[in-house]
Amino acid sequence: GENVEQHPSTLSVQEGDSAVIKCTYSDSASNYFPWYKQELGKGPQLIIDIRSNVGEKKDQRIAVTLNKTAKHFSLHITETQPEDSAVYFCAASTDNQGGKLIFGQGTELSVKP
Amino acid sequence: DAMVIQNPRYQVTQFGKPVTLSCSQTLNHNVMYWYQQKSSQAPKLLFHYYDKDFNNEADTPDNFQSRRPNTSFCFLDIRSPGLGDAAMYLCATSSYGGANYGYTFGSGTRLTVV
Repeated sequence: GENVEQHPSTLSVQEGDSAVIKCTYSDSASNYFPWYKQELGKGPQLIIDIRSNVGEKKDQRIAVTLNKTAKHFSLHITETQPEDSAVYFCAASTDNQGGKLIFGQGTELSVKP
Repeated sequence: DAMVIQNPRYQVTQFGKPVTLSCSQTLNHNVMYWYQQKSSQAPKLLFHYYDKDFNNEADTPDNFQSRRPNTSFCFLDIRSPGLGDAAMYLCATSSYGGANYGYTFGSGTRLTVV
């Protein structure tokens, strides 16, 4: 089955700096790669996603890149703000078997003012 | 707004006492998932329903069961909760597997076992 590895597990940046979180996946059939932000005591909230027919997607300060050959994808947050502090999860899924969403281990991002 | 609603937000149950968590959706999605998330860990898939077809993950304990009486509702039953079952339980939905239409998560139910 699919396995998703996420790095780093913790990331501390200064306000205004950029943050990059990287994930690798094992199943070449995976075709959907969302990123979730989870604040304490809340459910995961989708912040951006990318499908396998696209190499890059951007939404304001957030961007995701996908390298299908290397089976890795990354989240880029520019001009970080204290409210970006949260745990971020990458995930991967396929259209098969009901499209199970498999999560990475999570990155705790801390943005210091 | 269309959404996924989990009740209750917080549940306290006694060791060994059966407990049921509920999830409802107004999205008319045909796939519903239950995830278990322990502190500082990634959500772990327990099982999912593709329409009425139940799909159990191989490592989901027998103590966990699920029911989906109709498209809108899905229940997680824990027959004999142990201390190790204390966690956040997340319900999610998708349309035909999610790769085309994405997944929507509820806010979760935090279960405490005393």
